[in-house]
Amino acid sequence: DTAVSQTPKYLVTQMGNDKSIKCEQNLGHDTMYWYKQDSKKFLKIMFSYNNKELIINETVPNRFSPKSPDKAHLNLHINSLELGDSAVYFCASSPHRDRKETQYFGPGTRLLVL
Amino acid sequence: AQTVTQSQPEMSVQEAETVTLSCTYDTSESDYYLFWYKQPPSRQMILVIRQEAYKQQNATENRFSVNFQKAAKSFSLKISDSQLGDAAMYFCAYSRETSGSRLTFGEGTQLTVNP
Repeated sequence: DTAVSQTPKYLVTQMGNDKSIKCEQNLGHDTMYWYKQDSKKFLKIMFSYNNKELIINETVPNRFSPKSPDKAHLNLHINSLELGDSAVYFCASSPHRDRKETQYFGPGTRLLVL
Repeated sequence: AQTVTQSQPEMSVQEAETVTLSCTYDTSESDYYLFWYKQPPSRQMILVIRQEAYKQQNATENRFSVNFQKAAKSFSLKISDSQLGDAAMYFCAYSRETSGSRLTFGEGTQLTVNP
C-alpha cells in the first residue's frame, strides 16, 4: 500500500502550458507539503496545508497554486509553465503541523518544460 | 542564507567499511529536530534517522548512528558495515519552531559504495 502517492511521475510539456500534479496520502495525516528539488538536487519547501488550511506559503511565483480539497489530498497547479519550472516536485505529509513530526515523502514528479 | 550545510558534495566508501557524513546547521533556538534522509536513484526520499535536540543521547538505527554535538551545531551520520544498497544522496535537515513544521535541507552528499 502506497502511503503518499503522486501522479503523474513524469510530466513533459511545452512552455506556456498549464499542468497539475496530484498528491494523496492514506496515512490519516493532518499536514501536507510541497517541496521542489532543483537540478542541483537542492530541496526547498513551497507550500504546506494543515487540515485544508494553507499554513506555509514560501516565496513562490503566483503561477503556482496549491489546492487541498480534503486533508488527504494536496494538488499543485502550475500556470504558464516556464523553463525554470523544470524540477522534481515532492509531496510529503506528517501527522500534525509540529516540527517534531517525521515527514513522509511521495515518489516525486519529474517535470520537464521544453 | 544557507542554514544547513553539508560540506562534502561526494563521499565514497568500500563495502563493509564505515563512513561518516558531515552536517552543520545554524540556529539560535534550543528546541529543534534533526533528520537524515536518503535519496537512492529511485528518487524516493526515505527517513534514515532523527534526533531531538533536547536529547543528549545520540540516535541509532541498526547500522546508522549520529554524532550530535549541540554546542558545535554539528550532526554527522555514521554508516557502519556499508552495503551496496546504501549508495544514495543523503540529506541533512532540521525543523525549528520559528519555521513552523517545514524541513530545511542541506545541499546533500552523494555516497558511492565500492564493492
